[in-house]
Amino acid sequence: GDSVTQMEGPVTLSEEAFLTINCTYTATGYPSLFWYVQYPGEGLQLLLKATKADDKGSNKGFEATYRKETTSFHLEKGSVQVSDSAVYFCALSDSSYKLIFGSGTRLLVRP
Amino acid sequence: DGGITQSPKYLFRKEGQNVTLSCEQNLNHDAMYWYRQDPGQGLRLIYYSQIVNDFQKGDIAEGYSVSREKKESFPLTVTSAQKNPTAFYLCASSAGQGPRPGELFFGEGSRLTVL
Repeated sequence: GDSVTQMEGPVTLSEEAFLTINCTYTATGYPSLFWYVQYPGEGLQLLLKATKADDKGSNKGFEATYRKETTSFHLEKGSVQVSDSAVYFCALSDSSYKLIFGSGTRLLVRP
Repeated sequence: DGGITQSPKYLFRKEGQNVTLSCEQNLNHDAMYWYRQDPGQGLRLIYYSQIVNDFQKGDIAEGYSVSREKKESFPLTVTSAQKNPTAFYLCASSAGQGPRPGELFFGEGSRLTVL
């Protein structure tokens, strides 16, 4: 079945460092891809999305490009802030009504 | 403001007791979902509903039950048959009518602890 694999965390960075969180997927067909963010004690919020190959999703300085040839959707940010500390989930939606989530990657940004 | 409201935020239960978690949305969304979150395991789908009076089992439905009598409401009951119910439960909704759910909107979650 369809699945999403994320790099294990925690990822610990200093403020203003460059961030990459890897995400790869396995799916039949042409899924839409998403990144969600979860701040401590809260639900998830959509960060960005891409619906077809080569699309780039972007929001709040974060970017991810839908790479069909490598089945990847890596999350990047050029300069992280302490306020970016959270858990980040990669997800895909297939032809059903379900979103399939990766296991999440915790990001900790130190001042 | 439109959104999803889950209650209670924290809940303690003795073993052998059923407990119901509330989820209400005022986004006029057709589809609603319940996910379970455990540390290091991401989110797993318990049940989902695409329309009133209809719902389907997700990947880990055993020991849970739901109802969808109103568009706005999708309560989840954690029964005594659920072997390991301590977890963080997240409710979500989406406007998707087609084959893909699109963006999910999440509530703030309910943390259930079995004593």
